[in-house]
Amino acid sequence: AQSVAQPEDQVNVAEGNPLTVKCTYSVSGNPYLFWYVQYPNRGLQFLLKYITGDNLVKGSYGFEAEFNKSQTSFHLKKPSALVSDSALYFCAVRPTTDSWGKLQFGAGTQVVVTP
Amino acid sequence: NAGVMQNPRHLVRRRGQEARLRCSPMKGHSHVYWYRQLPEEGLKFMVYLQKENIIDESGMPKERFSAEFPKEGPSILRIQQVVRGDSAAYFCASSPPRGGLDEQFFGPGTRLTVL
Repeated sequence: AQSVAQPEDQVNVAEGNPLTVKCTYSVSGNPYLFWYVQYPNRGLQFLLKYITGDNLVKGSYGFEAEFNKSQTSFHLKKPSALVSDSALYFCAVRPTTDSWGKLQFGAGTQVVVTP
Repeated sequence: NAGVMQNPRHLVRRRGQEARLRCSPMKGHSHVYWYRQLPEEGLKFMVYLQKENIIDESGMPKERFSAEFPKEGPSILRIQQVVRGDSAAYFCASSPPRGGLDEQFFGPGTRLTVL
């Protein structure tokens, strides 16, 4: 069975400091991995995805993520956090062996960036 | 190009009534997905549809819930005889015809409150 884990409910970081949001996965076969961000009372916004190729993926708003197959991780990173990055972040996986539609989401990590 | 549209944004129903949630995918998108987000939880997959076809409904409750995506018009998620446990945010997403390789674009959600 596939699963996605975001081990931290909340991450606190000062503005200007590096931000890391952790995600690990367990799937059969090769995964497709995604990061989304959700602002209060809004839908999810796509940040980036890993399908194949380079393990370092660059996305929107200065975010990047590194796919690590041996550690089954896909951590989201930003070198210098902004107060406006405060939001709820979701990691998601779509197993290649499953139906082409279903995304399985982690529970989410609340990011709080303080001035 | 308008994004994914959902209406209504907020819906209040009394126990036993029916709820109808509508989703218009982005222009050119032929895949629609419905997810449910319970308070303090991540998104849970419900159903994946293409025009006039249900592709994967493995996340749909067996009773009271149904979904359709007709040839013309929006996708509809229908909940009959609502109960308080149905109170949640319901998100629709769409993707282009390639399906799983592409990210899903999310609508703003419909927040259902059952009194």
